Amino acid sequence: GQQVMQIPQYQHVQEGEDFTTYCNSSTTLSNIQWYKQRPGGHPVFLIQLVKSGEVKKQKRLTFQFGEAKKNSSLHITATQTTDVGTYFCAGYTGGADGLTFGKGTHLIIQP
Amino acid sequence: DAGITQSPRHKVTETGTPVTLRCHQTENHRYMYWYRQDPGHGLRLIHYSYGVKDTDKGEVSDGYSVSRSKTEDFLLTLESATSSQTSVYFCAISRGQGSNEKLFFGSGTQLSVL
Repeated sequence: GQQVMQIPQYQHVQEGEDFTTYCNSSTTLSNIQWYKQRPGGHPVFLIQLVKSGEVKKQKRLTFQFGEAKKNSSLHITATQTTDVGTYFCAGYTGGADGLTFGKGTHLIIQP
Repeated sequence: DAGITQSPRHKVTETGTPVTLRCHQTENHRYMYWYRQDPGHGLRLIHYSYGVKDTDKGEVSDGYSVSRSKTEDFLLTLESATSSQTSVYFCAISRGQGSNEKLFFGSGTQLSVL
């Protein structure tokens, strides 16, 4: 079945440093979605990428979808304490599998 | 936040007992999902429903059953709970399963099986 690998599993940064998490799929994706889960909370949808090579920005967050539509990244510039949480990617192939989630990257920020 | 309510929020039970978790939505969305979240495993799909009485298995369906008798309610049942089913369970909904559909999650149920 479809697999979505996400790295790193954990990332410690000093407040103000940048952060990046990467997703790789074993198969070509129709789209990829990103979710954020605050500690003790539930996943919340951030964004969806559909086109090959697509780049989208949300304030300090930059999302990219690879040219082959098999990988994606989320980059946060100048992290703040409000960025703490787990970031999940979720890939969609269009088949019966639906969305397949990566295992997430836990972002820990030290003030 | 989307109108999704999970109950109970916390449950402690003993091995071998049946447990039912409830998900209730007020959005009239067609698709409903049950996920479990465990450290190191992320979110794994247990079962999903694409309409009343229409359900299908996900990645980790063994030991779980579901029912959907009304659009707004999706029940997850552990017929005989085991310690390996200790987890956080999330319900999610979406309008459809097409390439543009995003998931809205409930607040989760923390289940401990002793």
